[in-house]
Amino acid sequence: KAGVTQTPRYLIKTRGQQVTLSCSPISGHRSVSWYQQTPGQGLQFLFEYFSETQRNKGNFPGRFSGRQFSNSRSEMNVSTLELGDSALYLCASSAGLADSYEQYFGPGTRLTVT
Amino acid sequence: DAKTTQPNSMESNEEEPVHLPCNHSTISGTDYIHWYRQLPSQGPEYVIHGLTSNVNNRMASLAIAEDRKSSTLILHRATLRDAAVYYCILPYQFNAGGTSYGKLTFGQGTILTVHP
Repeated sequence: KAGVTQTPRYLIKTRGQQVTLSCSPISGHRSVSWYQQTPGQGLQFLFEYFSETQRNKGNFPGRFSGRQFSNSRSEMNVSTLELGDSALYLCASSAGLADSYEQYFGPGTRLTVT
Repeated sequence: DAKTTQPNSMESNEEEPVHLPCNHSTISGTDYIHWYRQLPSQGPEYVIHGLTSNVNNRMASLAIAEDRKSSTLILHRATLRDAAVYYCILPYQFNAGGTSYGKLTFGQGTILTVHP
């Protein structure tokens, strides 16, 4: 099975712009989660989608949003970019089963805001 | 999420076993114990998980204390490729109608250095 793929892998944006990141989960996985990783804050949970519904949300401002499509692919959007949004954004997919919640991560998208 | 405590760093020699400890004294009866690792410049990688019994897979073994307040990830023969940050996590997990959702809360983890 192909793993989790994320596009683009690298991105440079300017303050005030917006950005959309894409994630394709492992085939058959219906749950997609997004995480932000920075040197200062470590890995932090952004949100989780299951069957096109946001089921769980982390403590991030409303500038961070996401959605999931019927084929389980997911996108996250960050509007009005700030310098502090520079980070590695990671997507993870899971089968979403009660006794099998392990998550499989993609390689991430490295976002640099200048 | 229930809190876990891990040593900041550990060192090992190549081809020797490595035992990575994790304390989770506030674990509840339904909390699973998950281990992930993150190699340099890569996303985290799922390693293993368990609930009560010890677990083995091709990557590692998970030994869970009888009272479940601690666990140990065992790498049977460390290789240079095992050098990574290892995270012990008790996922915040909702189970409903046979499906599960929630989140992983990553701490600082244990930095494992493997010497040739």
